[in-house]
Amino acid sequence: AQSVAQPEDQVNVAEGNPLTVKCTYSVSGNPYLFWYVQYPNRGLQFLLKYITGDNLVKGSYGFEAEFNKSQTSFHLKKPSALVSDSALYFCAVRDEGGAGRRALTFGSGTRLQVQP
Amino acid sequence: GAVVSQHPSWVICKSGTSVKIECRSLDFQATTMFWYRQFPKQSLMLMATSNEGSKATYEQGVEKDKFLINHASLTLSTLTVTSAHPEDSSFYICSASGLLGKQPQHFGDGTRLSIL
Repeated sequence: AQSVAQPEDQVNVAEGNPLTVKCTYSVSGNPYLFWYVQYPNRGLQFLLKYITGDNLVKGSYGFEAEFNKSQTSFHLKKPSALVSDSALYFCAVRDEGGAGRRALTFGSGTRLQVQP
Repeated sequence: GAVVSQHPSWVICKSGTSVKIECRSLDFQATTMFWYRQFPKQSLMLMATSNEGSKATYEQGVEKDKFLINHASLTLSTLTVTSAHPEDSSFYICSASGLLGKQPQHFGDGTRLSIL
């Protein structure tokens, strides 16, 4: 079984400050990890993924995430937050088996609020 | 990037009506499509996994006779909510995946279903 934990329901940060949204995962094999963002009444937009390779992955809109195997974490980060980054963020995982036929398991989501 | 189109974006209808939601992959062949349901301020709940040309696999607790899924082609899957009732009101989101598991799932913009 696979699972994802996002321990913070909400993260508040001032514009221009760095932000971190936390995610830890559990999966039986090697993990494929993803971050998505959701704006009100919209679907999910893909931000970035970790499959293999460098532990620090860079994605859309200046976001990056660091894969830490020993801590089973994949925290989302951005050096300088923008008000427009305010949204709901989901971390997701699946194991490497099953090709594209296996569904992602999502965390509970973290609402990011960036104050001007 | 890959685009998934979901239609309609908003439906309001009377109790007892059946509602069909379409999910199309516009620029890639989706061997697998997933249907999710999202309650307010909650994460995505996987309802079913649909592989092209075969019967959908439903998650535990999801009524297959209530939520009919068809995936007749590599670019189209439909979810029909039969004899909808107010408790079926929710935000439904589809996603599509190609054969390669390393690629992210791409999400539609969701359908807000309101049953009166």
